[in-house]
Amino acid sequence: AQSVTQLGSHVSVSEGALVLLRCNYSSSVPPYLFWYVQYPNQGLQLLLKYTTGATLVKGINGFEAEFKKSETSFHLTKPSAHMSDAAEYFCAVNSGYSTLTFGKGTMLLVSP
Amino acid sequence: NAGVTQTPKFQVLKTGQSMTLQCAQDMNHNSMYWYRQDPGMGLRLIYYSASEGTTDKGEVPNGYNVSRLNKREFSLRLESAAPSQTSVYFCASSGALRNTEAFFGQGTRLTVV
Repeated sequence: AQSVTQLGSHVSVSEGALVLLRCNYSSSVPPYLFWYVQYPNQGLQLLLKYTTGATLVKGINGFEAEFKKSETSFHLTKPSAHMSDAAEYFCAVNSGYSTLTFGKGTMLLVSP
Repeated sequence: NAGVTQTPKFQVLKTGQSMTLQCAQDMNHNSMYWYRQDPGMGLRLIYYSASEGTTDKGEVPNGYNVSRLNKREFSLRLESAAPSQTSVYFCASSGALRNTEAFFGQGTRLTVV
């Protein structure tokens, strides 16, 4: 079975502060991992993905994530938050099945 | 470049009514999916189709049926809508390999009263 746990349904940061959104996964085989972003009343958009190779993955809008096998984690970070980053973020895993399994999501709130 | 197109965008149904949500993709993807999104629940897979002519149940298939009409189109049918089916529904598509990402439509907001 595959599963994803996102710690914290809401994360609040100030503009310019570090963003850290946590994701832990469960997988019986080497996983493929994804982060998606959802802006209000829109569909999901891919931020970045880890398949194989380099464990630090860079995505769009200045986001990056690091795959840590020993910790079964794939946390999402951004050095400096912008107001436009306010959205809901979803971590997802595909570990040998035909489909993605999503976490419950983390809403990022950015205050001025 | 349309990507994944869902219709309708909004719908209100009365309990017991039926309806079909339509989805089409223009990326020549083999796999297509239907998810529902509820507050605090993330996205849950209803049905998926790994290739034309095949469909499989996901995590929450009860009360739904699907049809993979051709490679481009994958529809979701509610035969007898219930208030518990009030949700936002997303269609997605992806390539055949599991390291490829899924592309999502804009969603259908369904309310059952």
